[in-house]
Amino acid sequence: GQQLNQSPQSMFIQEGEDVSMNCTSSSIFNTWLWYKQDPGEGPVLLIALYKAGELTSNGRLTAQFGITRKDSFLNISASIPSDVGIYFCAGRPANAGGTSYGKLTFGQGTILTVHP
Amino acid sequence: NAGVTQTPKFRILKIGQSMTLQCTQDMNHNYMYWYRQDPGMGLKLIYYSVGAGITDKGEVPNGYNVSRSTTEDFPLRLELAAPSQTSVYFCASRTGQDTNTEAFFGQGTRLTVV
Repeated sequence: GQQLNQSPQSMFIQEGEDVSMNCTSSSIFNTWLWYKQDPGEGPVLLIALYKAGELTSNGRLTAQFGITRKDSFLNISASIPSDVGIYFCAGRPANAGGTSYGKLTFGQGTILTVHP
Repeated sequence: NAGVTQTPKFRILKIGQSMTLQCTQDMNHNYMYWYRQDPGMGLKLIYYSVGAGITDKGEVPNGYNVSRSTTEDFPLRLELAAPSQTSVYFCASRTGQDTNTEAFFGQGTRLTVV
């Protein structure tokens, strides 16, 4: 099946530092999403990207849809302790025909730990 | 506003037992999904449904069955539980009518098969 490679697998940072993580695919995607998962909870959507080159911000979070349509990155500025969690990239591959019915392919996740 | 509700939150099954994971949504969404999440892995799609009476296999359907008799409910059935089905299961729903809308996820069901 489709694979998304997300890196890094984990990060340990100090409060106030900036964070960057990225996701790559071997094939073209037409949607890139970034989710955060808190312990014991389901993923919550942070940012959605629908156009190549699109750069979107949500507070201290900024994400970009790569121009090649095969990658995306997420930046978190001035991290705080509540940023702790698992961050997932997800996307919908571009189809030759038909609809994807919203099915998502997920990356492996980045575990973020923020030390006060 | 309940959103997507999954029950139970936790369950321990013995090998060979069966169970149904319940999922219900109150947003009148057409599309619903079941994913499983294994440690260090992303979510993988088990089954999905685009409306009442319509279901289809995802990436990892073996060992599972689903039904969609109503718009609100999308139960996932395990007939003969196996240790490989130990995982966290997430149900999600999406309106399906607007291509730029994304899925809402439930809180998950943590299943252990021993």
